[in-house]
Amino acid sequence: TQLLEQSPQFLSIQEGENLTVYCNSSSVFSSLQWYRQEPGEGPVLLVTVVTGGEVKKLKRLTFQFGDARKDSSLHITAAQPGDTGLYLCAGAAVQGAQKLVFGQGTRLTINP
Amino acid sequence: NAGVTQTPKFQVLKTGQSMTLQCAQDMNHNSMYWYRQDPGMGLRLIYYSASEGTTDKGEVPNGYNVSRLNKREFSLRLESAAPSQTSVYFCASRRTGQVYGYTFGSGTRLTVV
Repeated sequence: TQLLEQSPQFLSIQEGENLTVYCNSSSVFSSLQWYRQEPGEGPVLLVTVVTGGEVKKLKRLTFQFGDARKDSSLHITAAQPGDTGLYLCAGAAVQGAQKLVFGQGTRLTINP
Repeated sequence: NAGVTQTPKFQVLKTGQSMTLQCAQDMNHNSMYWYRQDPGMGLRLIYYSASEGTTDKGEVPNGYNVSRLNKREFSLRLESAAPSQTSVYFCASRRTGQVYGYTFGSGTRLTVV
């Protein structure tokens, strides 16, 4: 069974600080996705990365897929209270896989 | 609005009661999924349907059954609810292709007493 480990599980920082969330596995993934979930809602897709070493930017969020496709990171620059939420990574074991494996999530709180 | 619609949003059951969670999507997606979310355990896959007419077990299928009624609808049934099934349940759909992510519904919060 492929597993995705996220760290840290909880992170509370002040507005304006930078942060990085990690998603690691001992297995190779064909692609990896990041989601954000707010209280009372379902997760919402932020990005998909499919190539080893790929970097994608979404405003103040930078996503990276490791060269070996076993890990990924999410970096937020100048965090804002609106970034507060649960961040989940999810991976597809093989290309065309019908189901994703989810990490346990990182609960991020940005304090004004 | 286009998306995934789940009903009900909240439900309280007594141990042993049965119920069906409904899910419908209007995006013409082939694949549909049922997950449960528990504190500290992330999202765990209960059942999924890769296409109309097919269903497969996920990580935690015991105590649940599913029906892919048509391309739009995928229901989850609890035949005899147990307190261990207290959770938040999410339905999701996905277009075929690895670059496409899940679209989730807003969830059903189920409490079994």
